[in-house]
Amino acid sequence: GNSVTQMEGPVTLSEEAFLTINCTYTATGYPSLFWYVQYPGEGLQLLLKATKADDKGSNKGFEATYRKETTSFHLEKGSVQVSDSAVYFCALSPNSGNTPLVFGKGTRLSVIA
Amino acid sequence: DTEVTQTPKHLVMGMTNKKSLKCEQHMGHRAMYWYKQKAKKPPELMFVYSYEKLSINESVPSRFSPECPNSSLLNLHLHALQPEDSALYLCASSQGGQGANEQYFGPGTRLTVT
Repeated sequence: GNSVTQMEGPVTLSEEAFLTINCTYTATGYPSLFWYVQYPGEGLQLLLKATKADDKGSNKGFEATYRKETTSFHLEKGSVQVSDSAVYFCALSPNSGNTPLVFGKGTRLSVIA
Repeated sequence: DTEVTQTPKHLVMGMTNKKSLKCEQHMGHRAMYWYKQKAKKPPELMFVYSYEKLSINESVPSRFSPECPNSSLLNLHLHALQPEDSALYLCASSQGGQGANEQYFGPGTRLTVT
């Protein structure tokens, strides 16, 4: 079956630190991969996506590369800000019609000044 | 415009009340979703509508009743809820059909059942 595994949080970093949140997946076929971010009290926002192997998704300084050989889609940012404090969800879509997204459990990030 | 709107933002209801949550999108998406999210958990899928027809019901209790009046609107009718149904209810939409299922989420309705 399809599944997503994220590193357990919470992750606490100082401002301007480097961020990595690990995500690995199990899927049949060639899924699309996503990172969503949820700020306190809000819904989920699509942060970035990649639809095929070796694609790099990027947005707001965040990046993730679709690595088929390691079945990974790790999220990185070179210099985090306090405003990046949120919960980050890795997700996959099996690319077969309206098959629902499969979410990881989420990683809470706290950035301190 | 990638906006999905939801009303109300907050809702408090008693166990004998009937209420409805509303969701709207104007992106021309043909798939719409209801999720339930408890604190510190990922969203859990409840229902999927594809081309205005219910395509997935994840064994949700009948006290939750979805409705899709047209391709832009999605409702969730609530009746005789339990306190454990208190959660954030999220609506999402996607293009539908084959291919990448990139979903766009609304801000959610925070529901409290007393």
